Amino acid sequence: DAGVTQSPTHLIKTRGQQVTLRCSPKSGHDTVSWYQQALGQGPQFIFQYYEEEERQRGNFPDRFSGHQFPNYSSELNVNALLLGDSALYLCASSASSGAFFGQGTRLTVV
Amino acid sequence: GEDVEQSLFLSVREGDSSVINCTYTDSSSTYLYWYKQEPGAGLQLLTYIFSNMDMKQDQRLTVLLNKKDKHLSLRIADTQTGDSAIYFCAEKGHNNAGNMLTFGGGTRLMVKP
Repeated sequence: DAGVTQSPTHLIKTRGQQVTLRCSPKSGHDTVSWYQQALGQGPQFIFQYYEEEERQRGNFPDRFSGHQFPNYSSELNVNALLLGDSALYLCASSASSGAFFGQGTRLTVV
Repeated sequence: GEDVEQSLFLSVREGDSSVINCTYTDSSSTYLYWYKQEPGAGLQLLTYIFSNMDMKQDQRLTVLLNKKDKHLSLRIADTQTGDSAIYFCAEKGHNNAGNMLTFGGGTRLMVKP
């Protein structure tokens, strides 16, 4: 079992650009959530996808959008990047016993 | 919104027990979790407890839940240098339709040889 996999591992973008991050959930999991973890803080919930639809959303602007594919993999898109978007972006796939996280994508906006 | 609080830092000597504490505000929490994060890595699920339980033990880990005080603790017995990491508690509320977790800010555990 490969667990939750994310790509890329690191990314550097310029302010104003757009970025797409990718996630494949743990085998057998159909729900994918995305979290943003700023340096020195706990993860903050962005949104969750289930059956290819956004099921729940945290307090993030519309610049943050996502997608889930029929194979349950997911993308996180961020438009018009700001310096404050620099963070570790974590993907999690869910079971009742807990959410299992990938290693994250470290996004740096310069 | 819901809130989860943790102390920032804990230092212990190798072989001692560590106790990491967490408080939360959501009285409808169904599950509470402990995650471990090592430098540059994602979150590793250590253990969880259902809200109708008081205690759960898993090898060196003991979770205590005081639902009345909304207090959760993680005890690590015989702490090793490899336990040095940031520990996050998280809760899942009954009132959210999905599986959204609310995290604390993390407790950095330093284990001295």
